[in-house]
Amino acid sequence: GAGVSQTPSNKVTEKGKYVELRCDPISGHTALYWYRQSLGQGPEFLIYFQGTGAADDSGLPNDRFFAVRPEGSVSTLKIQRTERGDSAVYLCASSLRLGERSSYEQYFGPGTRLTVT
Amino acid sequence: ILNVEQSPQSLHVQEGDSTNFTCSFPSSNFYALHWYRWETAKSPEALFVMTLNGDEKKKGRISATLNTKEGYSYLYIKGSQPEDSATYLCAFGPNTGNQFYFGTGTSLTVIP
Repeated sequence: GAGVSQTPSNKVTEKGKYVELRCDPISGHTALYWYRQSLGQGPEFLIYFQGTGAADDSGLPNDRFFAVRPEGSVSTLKIQRTERGDSAVYLCASSLRLGERSSYEQYFGPGTRLTVT
Repeated sequence: ILNVEQSPQSLHVQEGDSTNFTCSFPSSNFYALHWYRWETAKSPEALFVMTLNGDEKKKGRISATLNTKEGYSYLYIKGSQPEDSATYLCAFGPNTGNQFYFGTGTSLTVIP
């Protein structure tokens, strides 16, 4: 079946602009994660959805970042007033998750490379 | 922020060599340890999910071990092939919260 898809694959934007990054998870996966990977670093947790609700948004760096998943499937990560420091690869992953904790593997999308000039 | 470390940062081996690398993580509040392989221009691919101390898992020429009491996991590749060239990431899942904490990865290059 289809894997996790992310669009766009690359996004170049000017400092101060607004951007939206989209993630289409695997059908039936209730859990959805957003990560950010900066150069030379491992993926850094941003936010986790269980169904439609943001179960944990503690990784969002500030209030310029926001994410939604209105129907429990597709998710959009929104970044307002972009800054050069937001330049990174933004990864989305989905997973089966039942109960409070999960040991299920995450299936990653190919990422969106965001460049803020 | 929990500290997850991977070593070495990069590794070059000859085709046919066996190799291994390390993921170190906090020994308290352990829930799960994931290993991923990330090839250039592709999505990270899950290799193993490990939850029990002493776990050993194997997939083809790749295997992993887990020691939760001392906080480390080893990934082994037997008879490395050029197609094994990738970055290998580990991710620690604690038993509190929802985050996974990734290491910075080990970049493996297998020279034909």
